[in-house]
Amino acid sequence: DADVTQTPRNRITKTGKRIMLECSQTKGHDRMYWYRQDPGLGLRLIYYSFDVKDINKGEISDGYSVSRQAQAKFSLSLESAIPNQTALYFCATSEDTNTGELFFGEGSRLTVL
Amino acid sequence: GENVEQHPSTLSVQEGDSAVIKCTYSDSASNYFPWYKQELGKRPQLIIDIRSNVGEKKDQRIAVTLNKTAKHFSLHITETQPEDSAVYFCAAMMSGGSNYKLTFGKGTLLTVNP
Repeated sequence: DADVTQTPRNRITKTGKRIMLECSQTKGHDRMYWYRQDPGLGLRLIYYSFDVKDINKGEISDGYSVSRQAQAKFSLSLESAIPNQTALYFCATSEDTNTGELFFGEGSRLTVL
Repeated sequence: GENVEQHPSTLSVQEGDSAVIKCTYSDSASNYFPWYKQELGKRPQLIIDIRSNVGEKKDQRIAVTLNKTAKHFSLHITETQPEDSAVYFCAAMMSGGSNYKLTFGKGTLLTVNP
C-alpha cells in the first residue's frame, strides 16, 4: 500500500546537536507537511511544501529548517536541538487541494536532553 | 489568524452511550472542518469532514454538525464502542487563497468504558 514513512521513529539526543528527521512517501502526492504534537497542544504546523521548489513556514518554524529533495522526500532539521523541541513529529501528505485529506506518517518521537 | 477551541479536553462515557465533542472557530471565512482520530500510539486519521455549505453530515455512527452563525461545529458519536477510545482533533481552514492555514484544536481524549 502507498504510505508515508518516517525515520527515525525514536531518537534521543543532547542539547546543541543537529538532528534530521526524514520523510518519504509513495502516495504520489505533491504536498508535504511537518507537524509537531505536544500533549494538550494538538498538532501544530512547522513547515509545508506544495511542490519540490516550494517551501513555506508554518505557525512554529523558529528553530527548524526543511529540505524538499524530491517529490517523495521532505526532511526536517533541527540545527541546534534544545529541550523544548522534545515532541512527537509527524510528516503528512495530501493531494493538490487545500481541503485534501492529510495522510500522516507513523511519527518520530524526539527527546532532547 | 484562525483560533480553534475544542472542548472537553477529556471525556469518559459508558459503552453504548453517545459522545459529543465541540469546537469553536474565530475566522468567519473558514469553510472546511475536518475531524481526525488518533488511537493510542498511532497516527491521526481523517474520520469525517464538513464544508460550510451543509449543516450536517453523517457516516454510520458518527456525525458532524456545523453552525456558521455561531461559528461552532460538533462531532457526535452514537452507540459508542471501546474501539472509539482515542484522541479526536477538530480543525478549521479557509479553503481558498494561496496560503495553507489548517488550524487544529488541542484534542479531546475520549475513553469508552466497557
